Amino acid sequence: DIVLTQSPGTLSLSPGERATLSCRASQRIISNTLAWYQQKPGQAPRLLISSASSRATGIPDRFSGSGSGTDFTLTISRLEPEDFAVYYCQQYGSAPPNTFGQGTKLEIK
Amino acid sequence: QVQLQESGPGLVKPSQTLSLTCTVSGGSIGSGGHYWSWIRQPAGKGPEWIGRILDSGYTNYNPSLRSRVTMSVDTSKNQFSLNMISVTAADTAVYYCAREGIFKSPFDLWGQGILVTVSS
Repeated sequence: DIVLTQSPGTLSLSPGERATLSCRASQRIISNTLAWYQQKPGQAPRLLISSASSRATGIPDRFSGSGSGTDFTLTISRLEPEDFAVYYCQQYGSAPPNTFGQGTKLEIK
Repeated sequence: QVQLQESGPGLVKPSQTLSLTCTVSGGSIGSGGHYWSWIRQPAGKGPEWIGRILDSGYTNYNPSLRSRVTMSVDTSKNQFSLNMISVTAADTAVYYCAREGIFKSPFDLWGQGILVTVSS
């Protein structure tokens, strides 16, 4: 199974700042089949990015994804108050099984 | 729009069977084109994929849980279900049902989740 390692575990930033979240895979992810999700307390994860860089429907353009192979990045260009949440990456190209990272918590500084 | 809703007991005793159902509304499981999955998330941890099923009944399971998990589908009721036998406290988690496309796709639609606690 592909293991996804996210860093940092917690990121403390202020509204208006830029956030950079990392996801590293234990082996190459085929065809950039990497997704990012946002999860707020008490809610299900919400799909933000698929295919490493394609925003899902309704996702603001301040969210962007990049990367290939084993290293991927989620960037939030200017943090809004509603962006503080936990973010997960997931690979789906070598499924089953689908695998998720352990998450990065983005908190208000 | 399509919505998913989990249902089932919130408390299960150790060694017993966990049974959950996901009801799909606003769309038909039988129309094809999607896998229907179960995912769980222990408190403070990342999600863990349990398995998935097609409207035909074809299934894939996470190898780590395969020996204890069975999924089924009832297209007439627009539902799919999860059974997990011999549960322990380690199976305590929020259980989600979710949808993914047939061809190497992420989970684009999730239920709200149901907390299942394994305790005597």
